[in-house]
Amino acid sequence: NAGVTQTPKFRVLKTGQSMTLLCAQDMNHEYMYWYRQDPGMGLRLIHYSVGEGTTAKGEVPDGYNVSRLKKQNFLLGLESAAPSQTSVYFCATWDIGATDTEAFFGQGTRLTVV
Amino acid sequence: QKEVEQDPGPLSVPEGAIVSLNCTYSNSAFQYFMWYRQYSRKGPELLMYTYSSGNKEDGRFTAQVDKSSKYISLFIRDSQPSDSATYLCAMTELNSGNTPLVFGKGTRLSVIA
Repeated sequence: NAGVTQTPKFRVLKTGQSMTLLCAQDMNHEYMYWYRQDPGMGLRLIHYSVGEGTTAKGEVPDGYNVSRLKKQNFLLGLESAAPSQTSVYFCATWDIGATDTEAFFGQGTRLTVV
Repeated sequence: QKEVEQDPGPLSVPEGAIVSLNCTYSNSAFQYFMWYRQYSRKGPELLMYTYSSGNKEDGRFTAQVDKSSKYISLFIRDSQPSDSATYLCAMTELNSGNTPLVFGKGTRLSVIA
């Protein structure tokens, strides 16, 4: 999806390892979000940011940390990965227009924790 | 009860059929309603966006919102095999990034040629 790039696209971690997922956007959007998608569970919000230097917890924040040091980047960290964090992670940005509104999604990061 | 309920399907229809996808919700403050389409191993992409109640049409797609019943629908006319995907409803209270989108679980649709 144009404008939102997630890195990496795939990753396998061992239990207890740490990693950082990067979301980069080139649309100058204020709002950025991290979701996880699991079979039968839909998209669940982990953390989000309403601007550079701000973060807030979503529906399922435990085990994750985030940082928004630059407006264009939103990082999602797993300090000590657990098998329950095996999921597909999506980053999204939010654009509030005069007559329309849309969240743009990245292509996703498939994470497996063994 | 989850804020947004959506039948996960799967739903299988023949090519050319009319498809009806639905979501119900409990938060009467929701005002902005969206439908996203997600192909396998891809990120969701916006299909339709509706503010408050009413209908919106875009080609073969029609979105309906009935706020009195807390019920939204997406209709697909003359369905095509390329419509095979998971359809997610999403909604929010305000046109503000401070109120993130709440998603349904998604309905998996297969259109058979």
